[in-house]
Amino acid sequence: GDSVTQTEGLVTLTEGLPVMLNCTYQSTYSPFLFWYVQHLNEAPKLLLKSFTDNKRPEHQGFHATLHKSSSSFHLQKSSAQLSDSALYYCASDTNAYKVIFGKGTHLHVLP
Amino acid sequence: GGIITQTPKFLIGQEGQKLTLKCQQNFNHDTMYWYRQDSGKGLRLIYYSITENDLQKGDLSEGYDASREKKSSFSLTVTSAQKNEMAVFLCASSTGTSNTEVFFGKGTRLTVV
Repeated sequence: GDSVTQTEGLVTLTEGLPVMLNCTYQSTYSPFLFWYVQHLNEAPKLLLKSFTDNKRPEHQGFHATLHKSSSSFHLQKSSAQLSDSALYYCASDTNAYKVIFGKGTHLHVLP
Repeated sequence: GGIITQTPKFLIGQEGQKLTLKCQQNFNHDTMYWYRQDSGKGLRLIYYSITENDLQKGDLSEGYDASREKKSSFSLTVTSAQKNEMAVFLCASSTGTSNTEVFFGKGTRLTVV
């Protein structure tokens, strides 16, 4: 069936270092991919989403590239900030209505 | 903009009890969702509804019922609360079109004693 896989449960790194959070997906059709971020005691909210024309989405310094050949949509940032500490979810719309999420990756940025 | 309101914020129930969680949205969205959030297990889809009076089962629907009474509201019932069900339940909504954002409420934290 359709699924989203995030291999890291926790990523800890020092401020200023690059960030990469992994996301791969399985789908019976060609889905759109999303990254959501959830800060402590807040609701998840959209960080960025894939485009139809293979443009690379960017937001708040984060970017992700959809690679259909490897079914991946990894989240990257060149330099982590303390405020980036949060829970990050990768998601896929298996059809227009049904949106499924990965298990989430906690990003912990140290000073 | 809009908002999704979930009530109650905290729900304490006894094992075996039937419990209902409520959700209201003022986005005028067609599609609404219930997700369960457990640490290390992510967001798992319980039920979703494409439009008023529609119900679709997600991957975790066993032990739950849902009701979409009107476009703006979507309720979730835990039919018989179990201690391993303690989690945060998130309601969400979207337009239901492809590649569209899902908006979330702040959640209901369920504790079963």
